[in-house]
Amino acid sequence: AQSVSQHNHHVILSEAASLELGCNYSYGGTVNLFWYVQYPGQHLQLLLKYFSGDPLVKGIKGFEAEFIKSKFSFNLRKPSVQWSDTAEYFCAVNGYNTDKLIFGTGTRLQVFP
Amino acid sequence: DAGVTQSPTHLIKTRGQQVTLRCSPKSGHDTVSWYQQALGQGPQFIFQYYEEEERQRGNFPDRFSGHQFPNYSSELNVNALLLGDSALYLCASSLTAVGYYEQYFGPGTRLTVT
Repeated sequence: AQSVSQHNHHVILSEAASLELGCNYSYGGTVNLFWYVQYPGQHLQLLLKYFSGDPLVKGIKGFEAEFIKSKFSFNLRKPSVQWSDTAEYFCAVNGYNTDKLIFGTGTRLQVFP
Repeated sequence: DAGVTQSPTHLIKTRGQQVTLRCSPKSGHDTVSWYQQALGQGPQFIFQYYEEEERQRGNFPDRFSGHQFPNYSSELNVNALLLGDSALYLCASSLTAVGYYEQYFGPGTRLTVT
């Protein structure tokens, strides 16, 4: 079955701490991978995406993610978080020739000053 | 450049009633997808419309139906509402001509069924 697992449901960090959010997927065939962010009161926004090529992708606001095909993982990282990074983060996957997105359950990140 | 817009913002309905939600895609986009996001969950794919036809469908009952108009805007209809239909309904648009890559989401419609 196609699925996405986000193991961290709620993460609490202090400003300047490093962040890594886990994402594992189960999907047959070629995949595209995404991280979306939902800031409080705002709509889902694309943080970064992986289609092919360099497995280390950089997104907006200093975020990056690494695609490790052998581990079916696409973990999100940021070296130093800010209070403004407080939000819900969703990992998502779709397959070649479809843009039906399969989302994980999300990780709520709280950053304290 | 207008992004994806949805109406209404909030809606309260009673069990058994019917509801229609509306979506206008981002300018230049031709494909609309609908997602249901229950509280504490990630969005779940309902269906997608392209060229005024349903192109893909997720695991949702026939009570959920939709439509796409010639101007690419779309409606989501839910009949015989259940309490479990309470959720945030998200519309996302994309451009099929450039491939199945990136969807832009609207702010959603919060549906409460009492």
